[in-house]
Amino acid sequence: GESVGLHLPTLSVQEGDNSIINCAYSNSASDYFIWYKQESGKGPQFIIDIRSNMDKRQGQRVTVLLNKTVKHLSLQIAATQPGDSAVYFCAEISKAAGNKLTFGGGTRVLVKP
Amino acid sequence: KAGVTQTPRYLIKTRGQQVTLSCSPISGHRSVSWYQQTPGQGLQFLFEYFSETQRNKGNFPGRFSGRQFSNSRSEMNVSTLELGDSALYLCASSLQGVGEKLFFGSGTQLSVL
Repeated sequence: GESVGLHLPTLSVQEGDNSIINCAYSNSASDYFIWYKQESGKGPQFIIDIRSNMDKRQGQRVTVLLNKTVKHLSLQIAATQPGDSAVYFCAEISKAAGNKLTFGGGTRVLVKP
Repeated sequence: KAGVTQTPRYLIKTRGQQVTLSCSPISGHRSVSWYQQTPGQGLQFLFEYFSETQRNKGNFPGRFSGRQFSNSRSEMNVSTLELGDSALYLCASSLQGVGEKLFFGSGTQLSVL
């Protein structure tokens, strides 16, 4: 069943365009960041991760950018496809905080054909 | 390789009852972590088990507990259920812990009436 927030920020994007999803994280000591994708009725699925000693990492059609100065993380999806419609969560972990995983509120991406 | 399996998929309980949810991790994964997902609070970390020991705990009351067996399968229990416990409960497994790529199950949707 539907498991995510009813009032999530929503990004509407045309099929084929690029998407940028932003996330502000809270802990300056966080040293590992992950993006997850959650489709309706499913659990989150790993997309890409980045360690705090990097500022950019690329995967297949996805790029994660990390700006530690302003505590900002972004996920770029190239050539967005209908299958990219989902809720996207960023997550952070700090070893200093005992390796507790903290998730952001999520962004809903709707791809228009 | 089979994914993370959670049972049951749906559960309806009444206030004051208790409930036990089950999670079978991916074969070879020793870390199992649990999460609560609600529209209001989003995804929140409950606890992590590794080699039958609770290694990490989120900010939830003692009514929420868990355990892990020698085969890495895990259960979580919620006692004296409250209406606010209605949520999607997700478990995730990984080789070594939450500080790496997590594989999530599809969750157990708990409704407390």
